[in-house]
Amino acid sequence: QQQVKQSPQSLIVQKGGIPIINCAYENTAFDYFPWYQQFPGKGPALLIAIRPDVSEKKEGRFTISFNKSAKQFSLHIMDSQPGDSATYFCAAVLLIGNQFYFGTGTSLTVIP
Amino acid sequence: DAGVTQSPTHLIKTRGQQVTLRCSPKSGHDTVSWYQQALGQGPQFIFQYYEEEERQRGNFPDRFSGHQFPNYSSELNVNALLLGDSALYLCASSLVSALDETQYFGPGTRLLVL
Repeated sequence: QQQVKQSPQSLIVQKGGIPIINCAYENTAFDYFPWYQQFPGKGPALLIAIRPDVSEKKEGRFTISFNKSAKQFSLHIMDSQPGDSATYFCAAVLLIGNQFYFGTGTSLTVIP
Repeated sequence: DAGVTQSPTHLIKTRGQQVTLRCSPKSGHDTVSWYQQALGQGPQFIFQYYEEEERQRGNFPDRFSGHQFPNYSSELNVNALLLGDSALYLCASSLVSALDETQYFGPGTRLLVL
């Protein structure tokens, strides 16, 4: 059973656009929600993360929006650049035991 | 400061064989988690090691086993390999006592089972 559902599977935007990737979860025990960026041949790298007591977090061009009641969270990439082309994974974490559950990934292509 | 390292980078095995993958955690980290990432999928949690013991385990068969050494490095062993075991195997390290919950991933070992 997929603990975290991620959409869309792929996304193509023009340079400067704002791609939005969405994730949903069911287990209300999750208490940490990170986003990872993965380039081909590399391991995932942490982009930004949020705790459920906060509704929004910004770090540079990356913003997480979190809706606790809907059990959904999303990643927004402002002023997207071709170098942002990668696969993005959301995750939901049970901090007790440090267990990470990943979404299925979104392949983002930013066209120059 | 060395990040998480994994070896080998690539590996080709045949069905029924056994394989051992290795991971060295980020300096100062004491916990190692292993993940299987099939092509086009997100990483799936296999198990986690802390203080040389398996602390958590995902939904993987007993063919998957591991070990953590006193220096916190870790091995993932897979016996009786199946074609479906072909994947990228990722190791991630973290520090149990840290306020930062981040797991840092290595580059992975690409395993192909023929």
